Amino acid sequence: TQLLEQSPQFLSIQEGENLTVYCNSSSVFSSLQWYRQEPGEGPVLLVTVVTGGEVKKLKRLTFQFGDARKDSSLHITAAQPGDTGLYLCAGADSNYQLIWGAGTKLIIKP
Amino acid sequence: DAGITQSPRYKITETGRQVTLMCHQTWSHSYMFWYRQDLGHGLRLIYYSAAADITDKGEVPDGYVVSRSKTENFPLTLESATRSQTSVYFCASSTRDAVNTDTQYFGPGTRLTVL
Repeated sequence: TQLLEQSPQFLSIQEGENLTVYCNSSSVFSSLQWYRQEPGEGPVLLVTVVTGGEVKKLKRLTFQFGDARKDSSLHITAAQPGDTGLYLCAGADSNYQLIWGAGTKLIIKP
Repeated sequence: DAGITQSPRYKITETGRQVTLMCHQTWSHSYMFWYRQDLGHGLRLIYYSAAADITDKGEVPDGYVVSRSKTENFPLTLESATRSQTSVYFCASSTRDAVNTDTQYFGPGTRLTVL
């Protein structure tokens, strides 16, 4: 069974600080996605990374796929209160089914 | 309205009752999914469907039934609700428009409480 472990599970920081959250597995994924979920809503896709070593930027968010396609990280620069939410990673297995991490709950305090 | 909708948004029921959660999408996406989300477990796949009349089990299918007679609808039925099925249920749809990608679009969720 493929598993995706996210860390930390919970992170509370002040506005303006930088942070990194991680998504790790012992399995190789064909692609990896990051979603953000706000309270009372469904997850919304932020980015898909496909190639080992790939880096994608979305404004202040930087996503990286590990060289071996087993792990990924999300780095937020100068966090804003609007970044508050649950960040979920999901890896696509060989059958293109998504394997989900449990999420990192992020709170940015003004 | 365009998109993916779920109804009801909130439901309280009693143990042993049958409950049906509805999901409707207007994009004509071929794939649809049902997940449950519980604290500490993230999203767990219950059932999915690749097209009308094609359904398959996910990680946690026991106690649930699905059908897909039309592309746009994918109802989820709890045949005899149990307290352990108290959860938030999300429906999603996707179009596999490229190899290695599977962008899923989620509904707003149904919060189900079984007493």
